[in-house]
Amino acid sequence: QKEVEQNSGPLSVPEGAIASLNCTYSDRVSQSFFWYRQYSGKSPELIMSIYSNGDKEDGRFTAQLNKASQYVSLLIRDSQPSDSATYLCAVNSLSSGTYKYIFGTGTRLKVLA
Amino acid sequence: DADVTQTPRNRITKTGKRIMLECSQTKGHDRMYWYRQDPGLGLRLIYYSFDVKDINKGEISDGYSVSRQAQAKFSLSLESAIPNQTALYFCATSDPTGGEAFFGQGTRLTVV
Repeated sequence: QKEVEQNSGPLSVPEGAIASLNCTYSDRVSQSFFWYRQYSGKSPELIMSIYSNGDKEDGRFTAQLNKASQYVSLLIRDSQPSDSATYLCAVNSLSSGTYKYIFGTGTRLKVLA
Repeated sequence: DADVTQTPRNRITKTGKRIMLECSQTKGHDRMYWYRQDPGLGLRLIYYSFDVKDINKGEISDGYSVSRQAQAKFSLSLESAIPNQTALYFCATSDPTGGEAFFGQGTRLTVV
């Protein structure tokens, strides 16, 4: 089992719809969770971070964390064509006594105009 | 200016050549990382450093070496480049509290 798993997509949604991106992780002691957006050939940029169970909202973005189910999701409301990108889930996980970032392979999102 | 700067941005090199990728940061972070990204494989950790004297191998360190010249500088070397090291390479930094990672612009390396 991969440490951080995401559906590779592509996930296609019409403009104005809600896009729902999901991520599961295997390390129960993971502390910090992040969603990065990456345009093709560019560096990842942070969209959301979440550290405790529940929802965290920032503009059109909502991150949801459920540590019991080892599940973190990202909702994008009123999706725009400019949201078309690959979304990387990252977990700051304890491994061999130290914390490291573990990334999923990313979900490609296409927002159709 | 970017907080995390990588040089070069693009490089084509021949098999067997030694190449160094450089990273410098102005964030003041102790932690620095080198990742490579291949299509469909996400970001994979090559090496990481938590301070100048603390350097650790990541999941795919074979064929690579690193040097932490100062808190702000972390370089990645390919001693003898091979074609399957063709990839997009990212340097990143973070603070020790487990907050977000900040990425450089990336280096696109092609080994022919």
